Amino acid sequence: SQQGEEDPQALSIQEGENATMNCSYKTSINNLQWYRQNSGRGLVHLILIRSNEREKHSGRLRVTLDTSKKSSSLLITASRAADTASYFCADYGNNRLAFGKGNQVVVIP
Amino acid sequence: GAVVSQHPSWVICKSGTSVKIECRSLDFQATTMFWYRQFPKQSLMLMATSNEGSKATYEQGVEKDKFLINHASLTLSTLTVTSAHPEDSSFYICSARAETANQPQHFGDGTRLSIL
Repeated sequence: SQQGEEDPQALSIQEGENATMNCSYKTSINNLQWYRQNSGRGLVHLILIRSNEREKHSGRLRVTLDTSKKSSSLLITASRAADTASYFCADYGNNRLAFGKGNQVVVIP
Repeated sequence: GAVVSQHPSWVICKSGTSVKIECRSLDFQATTMFWYRQFPKQSLMLMATSNEGSKATYEQGVEKDKFLINHASLTLSTLTVTSAHPEDSSFYICSARAETANQPQHFGDGTRLSIL
């Protein structure tokens, strides 16, 4: 079964607001990664959080990891129109990265 | 940051044609490269994993004779879609990773393949 499965959703917010999206997974993880994909493009790596970490920040991004609940969240603060994209979480298992369904985020200027 | 270059970015060709897609890691040595396929509004589906100098490992349901993968060097992997048909039309994305599993994967910009 696929690890790193977000609740598939489309999120539409106003510029300046925060965007939160969640990811759940089914088995033990080595690390969990979040990626952004602009329409018709490849994926851009945003942040990697290891299984022994609980929270990580990178600029306007904050990722949390709760291994007891097998879940992760990605928070984008003070969103911008350029943050409009699909966001995927993915987990390393068996030497491969397994992606969830993705969250479509639209930031309205 | 690490850069992966994928070429071509889009291809339109007739049914029966074979199409080769290149994936290069520009500023790091990619021990492992991955090929994904993505349908519209869907997630990425891993097709195969290749390690430099070894045969690729294909995911279940992916035809190895249909999708030929070559990883001849630490900076180049190629995917050849042989005798392509309309059902092979998709967005193909390559990814490369340096040595260890706790390194992020870096992705190319994808190739839009349209078979007429």
